Amino acid sequence: EIVMTQSPATLSVSPGERATLSCRASQSVSSKLAWYQEKPGQAPRLLIYDASTRATGIPARFSGSGSGTEFTLTISSLQSEDFAVYYCHQYNNWYTFGQGTKLEIK
Amino acid sequence: QVQLVESGGGVVQPGRSLRLSCAASGFTFSTYAIHWVRQTPGTGLEWVAVISSDGINKYYADSVKGRFTMSRDNSENTLYLQLSSLRLEDTAIYYCAREIAPHRHFDYWGQGTLVTVSS
Repeated sequence: EIVMTQSPATLSVSPGERATLSCRASQSVSSKLAWYQEKPGQAPRLLIYDASTRATGIPARFSGSGSGTEFTLTISSLQSEDFAVYYCHQYNNWYTFGQGTKLEIK
Repeated sequence: QVQLVESGGGVVQPGRSLRLSCAASGFTFSTYAIHWVRQTPGTGLEWVAVISSDGINKYYADSVKGRFTMSRDNSENTLYLQLSSLRLEDTAIYYCAREIAPHRHFDYWGQGTLVTVSS
């Protein structure tokens, strides 16, 4: 099983600043990596797939990068609605998820 | 718009059974593979199972193989997950999620249904 490790567990950032979230795979997943946003009581929302492709309707302030084992989700200028939990997900070899990064207001 | 709505969760004793449903709307259900994913505070998100668009091919996580059974009714736009021989560790929020081919990521998820296994 491919283990996905996200860091940090919690990230405190002020609105308007940049947030950088990391995800590491225990073995290469090529570019088969997605990022989701989750808010309490809501369905997880797809942000990025294939490591760097924004999903339909996702603002340009969200960007993804990386390949192989190291991936990054960057939110360029945080808006109030961006404070949530973010998960990475590999779908190269079956399916596994990171444990999540909670993005909170500083 | 695309919607997936899970139902059927509840409190159940260890060893008993439960059937979850996932009602789909807003898209051609019969052309998509659908997954079940569960979430617990302790283990995070865990992939559970997938069923092909025609319902023929099904794959399960080792943790549920032999106990959970996935099926679908494309005439009713509904997906099912039969949970049997339930264990305490099956307690989780269960989500259904649509897979996008050929990329294989999940583009839409339901809001989940809570299953609590407790004596």
